[in-house]
Amino acid sequence: DAGVTQSPTHLIKTRGQQVTLRCSPKSGHDTVSWYQQALGQGPQFIFQYYEEEERQRGNFPDRFSGHQFPNYSSELNVNALLLGDSALYLCASSLVRVSGSYEQYFGPGTRLTVT
Amino acid sequence: QKEVEQDPGPLSVPEGAIVSLNCTYSNSAFQYFMWYRQYSRKGPELLMYTYSSGNKEDGRFTAQVDKSSKYISLFIRDSQPSDSATYLCAMDTSYGKLTFGQGTILTVHP
Repeated sequence: DAGVTQSPTHLIKTRGQQVTLRCSPKSGHDTVSWYQQALGQGPQFIFQYYEEEERQRGNFPDRFSGHQFPNYSSELNVNALLLGDSALYLCASSLVRVSGSYEQYFGPGTRLTVT
Repeated sequence: QKEVEQDPGPLSVPEGAIVSLNCTYSNSAFQYFMWYRQYSRKGPELLMYTYSSGNKEDGRFTAQVDKSSKYISLFIRDSQPSDSATYLCAMDTSYGKLTFGQGTILTVHP
């Protein structure tokens, strides 16, 4: 059973460019969340997708947008890249349980470097 | 003040030691509490998941939650060099919007 997969593994972009990161959730999971992890810090919540809609959003500007497809896979798009966007971008998938709990399983991440 | 505070360490212990990792939080609405382990240049791996106050044990790992004190702990018994990693606490009010601590870097030396 494949876990959460993300592509690409690494990416180098220039300030002002746009980037798209991709995520495939764990089999059977229907909810995808995206996090940004700066070096030496814990992950920060960007947004969450369920049933192809953004359900929750963290404190990130509109330059960060996303999409979820009918097969539950997801994309994260970042426009007008800034140097401060350099980070590890993590995708997590989860399945909502009857209890309301969300056990989230993370992918390996995409390391984005903005120069 | 951050919602979740975690001592970044680093923490260095000899093999076989008992390790105690801790987080405090300020948001009383947090209901779900998690511990993740993250190896260098990898994604976080879910270790323990608990709901509300109490203890949960899984092999060498024990998670404790004290909601009255807004304090959670992870204990690792008989620590091994393979336990060397960054440990992240995470919390959720509901719906899966996790708030993480900064992470504690643990090194277990032979």
